[in-house]
Amino acid sequence: AAGVIQSPRHLIKEKRETATLKCYPIPRHDTVYWYQQGPGQDPQFLISFYEKMQSDKGSIPDRFSAQQFSDYHSELNMSSLELGDSALYFCASSLGVQETNTGELFFGEGSRLTVL
Amino acid sequence: AQKITQTQPGMFVQEKEAVTLDCTYDTSDPSYGLFWYKQPSSGEMIFLIYQGSYDQQNATEGRYSLNFQKARKSANLVISASQLGDSAMYFCAIYGQNFVFGPGTRLSVLP
Repeated sequence: AAGVIQSPRHLIKEKRETATLKCYPIPRHDTVYWYQQGPGQDPQFLISFYEKMQSDKGSIPDRFSAQQFSDYHSELNMSSLELGDSALYFCASSLGVQETNTGELFFGEGSRLTVL
Repeated sequence: AQKITQTQPGMFVQEKEAVTLDCTYDTSDPSYGLFWYKQPSSGEMIFLIYQGSYDQQNATEGRYSLNFQKARKSANLVISASQLGDSAMYFCAIYGQNFVFGPGTRLSVLP
């Protein structure tokens, strides 16, 4: 079965550069969540989208922005990168915000960003 | 606001024995879901088991079972017959208005 696809899997950038992470949800899933997991930390919620509209916002820095496109894939754009942005970035998808309450929430394998 | 507490930063278990990973939660949402994820050293987040707040029976998935005690707001994960491959970080998470993870428990299975 198709899973959540994230690209790139690994990314190395220098301070003050920009980076874009992509997430392709499971087919039919219309809700996307982004999480950031620093070394040795639990995942922190950044932002979510439902039907191409932002549905919730967490601890996402102002330097970051995200959107969901008409094909439901989502992109997380990060500018003016800082050393502290080095982390594993997860995308998860579900079929509708409420349907997450049926357990239909699956994560991609993550994109590991390293800022030098 | 929602919160997950996992009081065991690290746990050890002998291979083939059962182990219980603790999870307590706090939420004001009348309807919510509880999830357990496994994160091996490779980093991916692997879904293990789900329990809905209105589910009458405890969820089970193979060797994984969720001991759901709603009145105590606990959702402990029980892994039966531990295997070496079970060594990983385990995260409890809750979904109500949004999805919140706990701090995780590192499980080490000893041969």
